Amino acid sequence: NAGVTQTPKFQVLKTGQSMTLQCAQDMNHEYMSWYRQDPGMGLRLIHYSVGAGITDQGEVPNGYNVSRSTTEDFPLRLLSAAPSQTSVYFCASSRSGGTSNTEAFFGQGTRLTVV
Amino acid sequence: AQSVTQPDIHITVSEGASLELRCNYSYGATPYLFWYVQSPGQGLQLLLKYFSGDTLVQGIKGFEAEFKRSQSSFNLRKPSVHWSDAAEYFCAVGSSNTGKLIFGQGTTLQVKP
Repeated sequence: NAGVTQTPKFQVLKTGQSMTLQCAQDMNHEYMSWYRQDPGMGLRLIHYSVGAGITDQGEVPNGYNVSRSTTEDFPLRLLSAAPSQTSVYFCASSRSGGTSNTEAFFGQGTRLTVV
Repeated sequence: AQSVTQPDIHITVSEGASLELRCNYSYGATPYLFWYVQSPGQGLQLLLKYFSGDTLVQGIKGFEAEFKRSQSSFNLRKPSVHWSDAAEYFCAVGSSNTGKLIFGQGTTLQVKP
């Protein structure tokens, strides 16, 4: 089982460039989320999805877009990269239902530097 | 507002000593609570979770946590720390309807030999 796969692992962008961070899961999970991790701030939610075709904003959505055309994939798009978007990005997935089996599985992260 | 607070940013303990990492939460509904651990350069690994029932939950690697509703706390404990436990620890509260997690700021654990 691959679990949650994020690509790329590392990326350097110039200010103003756009790019897409890829996230795929093979566990047939309904819920998927994107977080960014910055020192001293924990992980903060950017966008999330409760199923294909349904997305919503999290705590820090500005500068990012998402779409969810399939259950498996949840790409994160940076429209015009800014140095403030330098961070480590994590994708997570979980099944719906809120039972004792519910937990979020995380990818290995994408370390993004904007210069 | 929903929030999670980890009061200790950095903790240093000696190998073999006991450990307690604090976590306080503010959440309107019944909380789903989690502790994750992150080794340097790695993703997050689930240590344990609480949904309902017994307020003392056991996790992997010898960790346990106790849910105290009256104190809005979910502190993580380990009786005897190993050098390999050095990492960053995150407490989180989750929604069963969306899968969203709210994380604390994290606590970095350093283990002295």
